[in-house]
Amino acid sequence: AQTVTQSQPEMSVQEAETVTLSCTYDTSENNYYLFWYKQPPSRQMILVIRQEAYKQQNATENRFSVNFQKAAKSFSLKISDSQLGDTAMYFCAFMGRNTDKLIFGTGTRLQVFP
Amino acid sequence: EAGVAQSPRYKIIEKRQSVAFWCNPISGHATLYWYQQILGQGPKLLIQFQNNGVVDDSQLPKDRFSAERLKGVDSTLKIQPAKLEDSAVYLCASSRRQSAGNTIYFGEGSWLTVV
Repeated sequence: AQTVTQSQPEMSVQEAETVTLSCTYDTSENNYYLFWYKQPPSRQMILVIRQEAYKQQNATENRFSVNFQKAAKSFSLKISDSQLGDTAMYFCAFMGRNTDKLIFGTGTRLQVFP
Repeated sequence: EAGVAQSPRYKIIEKRQSVAFWCNPISGHATLYWYQQILGQGPKLLIQFQNNGVVDDSQLPKDRFSAERLKGVDSTLKIQPAKLEDSAVYLCASSRRQSAGNTIYFGEGSWLTVV
């Protein structure tokens, strides 16, 4: 069974600085999909970034980028130029090649300080 | 384009009472999911629909939880009778079709507190 592990329950960063959130996963599949979702206090899960495992190039979305290390089964999220609005829970999620179900980690609470 | 709509946003009930949550997915989305998110944990899938058929309900506690998606659009999740451990946020989500790698869009959730 696939599992997703986020080992940092809480992180903090100063506004305009860079922060990296860690995620590791376990799977025997070769092709799959990885996601980072942001969950602000409103509780709506908002997609931040998506990575396809068969693509070697790391995904980027504006200030958000990932470091995808397939052999190490690691999928970290880097937030550059952190903004106060980035304060939220961040969830790493896995989706297998033959499924359309998300398996989530336990989340990392990120606090951005002015 | 309107997002996934859920109601009610908040509900407080006593144990052994019943509660129902409603979800309207994004227009044209064939796949609908209900997730349960207990405080401090990531969301866990309860049930998945493709149109009006159930694809996966293996994690749904069927002795107390039920869900339906009539006409393949709106969905209702019911809990009866509720237990204290059912206190959670119930997230509805939808995607365009049943396909690996599809982006799944979430609603704002329905917060349930069982006292």
